[in-house]
Amino acid sequence: SQKIEQNSEALNIQEGKTATLTCNYTNYSPAYLQWYRQDPGRGPVFLLLIRENEKEKRKERLKVTFDTTLKQSLFHITASQPADSATYLCALDLFYNQGGKLIFGQGTELSVKP
Amino acid sequence: GAGVSQSPSNKVTEKGKDVELRCDPISGHTALYWYRQSLGQGLEFLIYFQGNSAPDKSGLPSDRFSAERTGGSVSTLTIQRTQQEDSAVYLCASSPMALQETQYFGPGTRLLVL
Repeated sequence: SQKIEQNSEALNIQEGKTATLTCNYTNYSPAYLQWYRQDPGRGPVFLLLIRENEKEKRKERLKVTFDTTLKQSLFHITASQPADSATYLCALDLFYNQGGKLIFGQGTELSVKP
Repeated sequence: GAGVSQSPSNKVTEKGKDVELRCDPISGHTALYWYRQSLGQGLEFLIYFQGNSAPDKSGLPSDRFSAERTGGSVSTLTIQRTQQEDSAVYLCASSPMALQETQYFGPGTRLLVL
């Protein structure tokens, strides 16, 4: 069956360090992958989108990699800040097979300590 | 401009009652999505609209769930004969078009079935 897995345990890091979050998937051939941030009591907010033919995408302190052979995406936050504390969700688009629908991982909770 | 809005923000109901949840997408967005998020879980896809039609209803958990969209804008998700397991946050998102686009989420409706 189709499956998306993110780090199930919360990630605790010190301010200034790089946070690395993992998203693994099986049995998908996504056209692209997205990362969202969700704060408590709020809806997810889009951060980055990376397409299947892209290896890496950057936006300010954020970097996403996408390895379609390993079926894995890594999400990095460099020089992390306490304000980066949130839950981060990866999502796959099934455009090729089921157009328009995002399948989300369960999210990884990140806590950045000052 | 205004983002996606949802109402009510919170809803407490008794088991067996019907509830209606409303979503106002961003003006001009043709695609609209409903998701459900249970406590500590990722987002579960329910249904998606392109204009007023729903090409994909595969995520609706049972025939007690239905959704409609009129005028290519507002959408209503109806849950009939609510059960306690329906308790969750119901999130709505919209995007300019269905394919290869970021989704913009509303704040969600928190439903509690007693």
